[in-house]
Amino acid sequence: EPEVTQTPSHQVTQMGQEVILRCVPISNHLYFYWYRQILGQKVEFLVSFYNNEISEKSEIFDDQFSVERPDGSNFTLKIRSTKLEDSAMYFCASSDNPGFRGTEAFFGQGTRLTVV
Amino acid sequence: AQSVTQLDSQVPVFEEAPVELRCNYSSSVSVYLFWYVQYPNQGLQLLLKYLSGSTLVKGINGFEAEFNKSQTSFHLRKPSVHISDTAEYFCAVDAAGNKLTFGGGTRVLVKP
Repeated sequence: EPEVTQTPSHQVTQMGQEVILRCVPISNHLYFYWYRQILGQKVEFLVSFYNNEISEKSEIFDDQFSVERPDGSNFTLKIRSTKLEDSAMYFCASSDNPGFRGTEAFFGQGTRLTVV
Repeated sequence: AQSVTQLDSQVPVFEEAPVELRCNYSSSVSVYLFWYVQYPNQGLQLLLKYLSGSTLVKGINGFEAEFNKSQTSFHLRKPSVHISDTAEYFCAVDAAGNKLTFGGGTRVLVKP
């Protein structure tokens, strides 16, 4: 079965530092997403991305966040100046249709970000 | 806007017993409904989804769910659980937008 790959699995960073979370979506998918889950809380939508631009973003996704598809295979989430409250599990997802109601939509294993 | 409520945060159950995880949603538009499972230290895996058609949906690992539009519910059931079903289960809706809205999750602990 195809899978979405995220690296690293766990990252520890100092408050104020920049981090880049990386994702390799399914090769023929066109729609990409980032979600996060703060420990003990709901999985929350951050951003969706299609055709090299953001389709939709939540209020969480403020100016410290950015996404990029730098080449044909990677999809990255950058947090410019990390805060303690950014500590969470970050999930990447990709789908072959808008939303998750298409034929295929997969989540990655997640990157656990710890800001100290 | 849509929201999802999972009424039980934790459900302990004995092996081979049935389990039902409750999910209610609210939305002003038609929705597509999903259940995801997260095993310890793993990502989110799709169990099943309702897009249209029969309101009873069968998924992987013997799970099924029933869409009830009048009660705005999408409860997940399994007639006989195994130890390996110990995991966290998330209900989610896609309200014809471009994202999923998740419930708070239900942690299932299967005891021998």
